[in-house]
Amino acid sequence: DTAVSQTPKYLVTQMGNDKSIKCEQNLGHDTMYWYKQDSKKFLKIMFSYNNKELIINETVPNRFSPKSPDKAHLNLHINSLELGDSAVYFCASSPLRGGYQETQYFGPGTRLLVL
Amino acid sequence: AQSVSQHNHHVILSEAASLELGCNYSYGGTVNLFWYVQYPGQHLQLLLKYFSGDPLVKGIKGFEAEFIKSKFSFNLRKPSVQWSDTAEYFCAVTRSQNAGNMLTFGGGTRLMVKP
Repeated sequence: DTAVSQTPKYLVTQMGNDKSIKCEQNLGHDTMYWYKQDSKKFLKIMFSYNNKELIINETVPNRFSPKSPDKAHLNLHINSLELGDSAVYFCASSPLRGGYQETQYFGPGTRLLVL
Repeated sequence: AQSVSQHNHHVILSEAASLELGCNYSYGGTVNLFWYVQYPGQHLQLLLKYFSGDPLVKGIKGFEAEFIKSKFSFNLRKPSVQWSDTAEYFCAVTRSQNAGNMLTFGGGTRLMVKP
């Protein structure tokens, strides 16, 4: 009965590789997000999608490409991984159009380590 | 620039002590305020939120927060902490002016409760 799930939980890879992180929500929500938490625990939004449409794209390098095949899934593909991409990536979802009064529900996070 | 500040980066308390964690934001207009908690190795969970109405909001696990508009503050309180409250606490804000539901997080406060 997991609400927001992410795979994989841990990802260790070499610099220059391409990797994907998957996110799925079974809450019936329309809007999904990706956040990055750095080594100092600072959380920052990366993207949000509403019903497969990109809403927020916060100055993220174009090596990062979100893909939303349907409103229940928002995957994050990262090309040419760099050391600075090492972080915990959290997926989240909210019910409707991502209005500013909606509560976001977070997934368990994917810990990415780039060597 | 928009910002959310949590002035206490690390707090250490003994069980049964009272807790107050500070949160200030730096912009006007309509805001919505949230406190999230991240237990060790876990995902972010919503503790409480303020949208409108009574500025004193009660959340889960005995936590409460007070919105003081004149001080741009939303401090988190708990009268008596337990060892199980050891976690990272994040204050976050959304604004009506945002195109999407973009949570802006503070830097987090790490709380350690000694048994």
